[in-house]
Amino acid sequence: AQSVAQPEDQVNVAEGNPLTVKCTYSVSGNPYLFWYVQYPNRGLQFLLKYITGDNLVKGSYGFEAEFNKSQTSFHLKKPSALVSDSALYFCAVRLYGNNRLAFGKGNQVVVIP
Amino acid sequence: KAGVTQTPRYLIKTRGQQVTLSCSPISGHRSVSWYQQTPGQGLQFLFEYFSETQRNKGNFPGRFSGRQFSNSRSEMNVSTLELGDSALYLCASSSGQGGFTGELFFGEGSRLTVL
Repeated sequence: AQSVAQPEDQVNVAEGNPLTVKCTYSVSGNPYLFWYVQYPNRGLQFLLKYITGDNLVKGSYGFEAEFNKSQTSFHLKKPSALVSDSALYFCAVRLYGNNRLAFGKGNQVVVIP
Repeated sequence: KAGVTQTPRYLIKTRGQQVTLSCSPISGHRSVSWYQQTPGQGLQFLFEYFSETQRNKGNFPGRFSGRQFSNSRSEMNVSTLELGDSALYLCASSSGQGGFTGELFFGEGSRLTVL
């Protein structure tokens, strides 16, 4: 069964500093990996995905993620955090031919002004 | 292009009642998935419908059911509500075709409170 782990409950970062949200995955076969963000009382918004190809994926709002097959990781990064980046971030994985997403528990990101 | 629309956004029910939630996917999308989000369990997959057929099912009791209509709109139903069913129910749509590699598009959710 596929799964993802987000080891930290909350990530605190000062505005302007680099932001990293960690994700590791466990899957047999080639993973499709996703990052979503959720603002309070809202649905999930897609940030970026890794399907194949370049290990560095660029997404919305200045976010990027690096796929590392040897470490089975897909960490989300942003070079300079904004207060408006404060939200709940979810990593997710699914397999080819299957639309079902397995989500991590989520990371609360708090950007301190 | 309109996004995924879920109704109602908020509702309050009492234990033992039933509830029906509705989801209209993005135009042209044939796959609709449902997820339950709670603080304790996080995001859990309920089921997926594609072209009016349930294609995938999560590990939820039979009280949770769904269906999809010919226009791809979907409904989910929860019968005999329990306090633990209080959650944000999220609907997601995609084209869902074979070999699909794209993302799912989520609605704003229906927040159910069971008293």
